[in-house]
Amino acid sequence: SYELTQPPSVSVSPGQTATITCSGDKLGDKYVCWYQQKPGQSPVQVIYQDTKRPSGIPARFSGSNSGNTATLTISGTQAMDEADYYCQARDSSNVVFGGGTKLTVL
Amino acid sequence: QVQLVESGGGVVQPGTSLRLSCAASGFSFSTYDMHWVRQAPGKGLEWVAVVSNDGSDKYYSDSVRGRSTISRDNSKNTLSLQMNSLRVEDTAVYYCAKGSPGLDVWGQGTTVTVSS
Repeated sequence: SYELTQPPSVSVSPGQTATITCSGDKLGDKYVCWYQQKPGQSPVQVIYQDTKRPSGIPARFSGSNSGNTATLTISGTQAMDEADYYCQARDSSNVVFGGGTKLTVL
Repeated sequence: QVQLVESGGGVVQPGTSLRLSCAASGFSFSTYDMHWVRQAPGKGLEWVAVVSNDGSDKYYSDSVRGRSTISRDNSKNTLSLQMNSLRVEDTAVYYCAKGSPGLDVWGQGTTVTVSS
């Protein structure tokens, strides 16, 4: 079965750029979405179709996808961005999530 | 506004059944695929199942295939998940989510606890 791999944790200082990676075989051939989940809350989509931001998502969130790696970048990271982040892709008719990355804003 | 509200969770014993429901509002329900996703306590997101917009196509994760059935009623804007032969490892918060593109709207979740 298809697998997506994320680092368990990433730390960043406020105002700096956070980078979260998601790797999978030929992932660049698939569309990737990213979700943010804060404690006790439902996930929120922050990126879809690799690079697009849903309405209401700040412009500091951006995405890219090429080769075997998709990347979520948060520029000028704020304390409110501290959360778990999940990448997601489709493999045939199935949906696959990465294991999640805990972003800590120190 | 677009809203998904899950219900039907509870505490059940292993081997029993449970039916989860999701009420949709604020969008054209019959236009979109709909998904169930679960999250075990302290764990990540796990996709469970998807049903196409007209209900004709259904796909399941390996972990629930053969034990669960996803369905929808477009006349009532509702999504369902019938779960049979429940196991301890099915304990999770179950979310319904609107598909395409990606899973762009999620409900608040309903908690299923399978315990003897």
